[in-house]
Amino acid sequence: DIQMTQSPSSLSASVGDRVTITCRASQSVAGYLNWYQQKPGKAPKLLIYSASSLQSGVPSRFSGSGFGTDFTLTISSLQPEDFATYYCQQSYNTPITFGQGTRLEIK
Amino acid sequence: QVQLVESGGGVVQPGRSLRLSCAATGFSFSTYNMHWVRQAPGKGLEWVALISYDGNNIYYVDSVQGRFTISRDNSKNTLFLQMNSLRAEDTAVYYCAKGPLAGYYDTWGQGTPVTVSA
Repeated sequence: DIQMTQSPSSLSASVGDRVTITCRASQSVAGYLNWYQQKPGKAPKLLIYSASSLQSGVPSRFSGSGFGTDFTLTISSLQPEDFATYYCQQSYNTPITFGQGTRLEIK
Repeated sequence: QVQLVESGGGVVQPGRSLRLSCAATGFSFSTYNMHWVRQAPGKGLEWVALISYDGNNIYYVDSVQGRFTISRDNSKNTLFLQMNSLRAEDTAVYYCAKGPLAGYYDTWGQGTPVTVSA
């Protein structure tokens, strides 16, 4: 199974900050890496697919990069509605696996 | 409007069974692979099962292999998850999700909670 490790596990930041979350795969997943945002009591929401493609309707302050084993999600200027938990997911092969999540909190 | 609506969750004793359903509307259900993903209370996301668009290819996470069965009825635009021999560790919110072959989930249901407890 491919293990996905996110860092940090939690992060405190302020509105307007630039934030980067990292996701590392235990083996190459090529570009099959996706990012989701989840707010309490809600279903996850797709932000970035195929490592760097912005899902329709997602603000352009979100961006993704990487290939192979190392990936990043960047929020260029945090907005109040961005405080949530973020997950990476590999869809390279089954079992599909998620990172453990990064909780982004208000400083 | 693309929508997935799960139902069938509830409280069940260990060892018993439960069947979840996911009704799909607003897209061509029979052309998409479909997935079940779960989230235990306070925990992260865990992929559970995948069924191909035609039902011919099915995959499970090891922890549910032999106990859970994913299926679909393309004539009724509905996805199912039959869960047998339930354990306390199966307690979670269960989501159905759709996406293209690349395996990302562009649409999720609202989730249905399953609690396994004596």
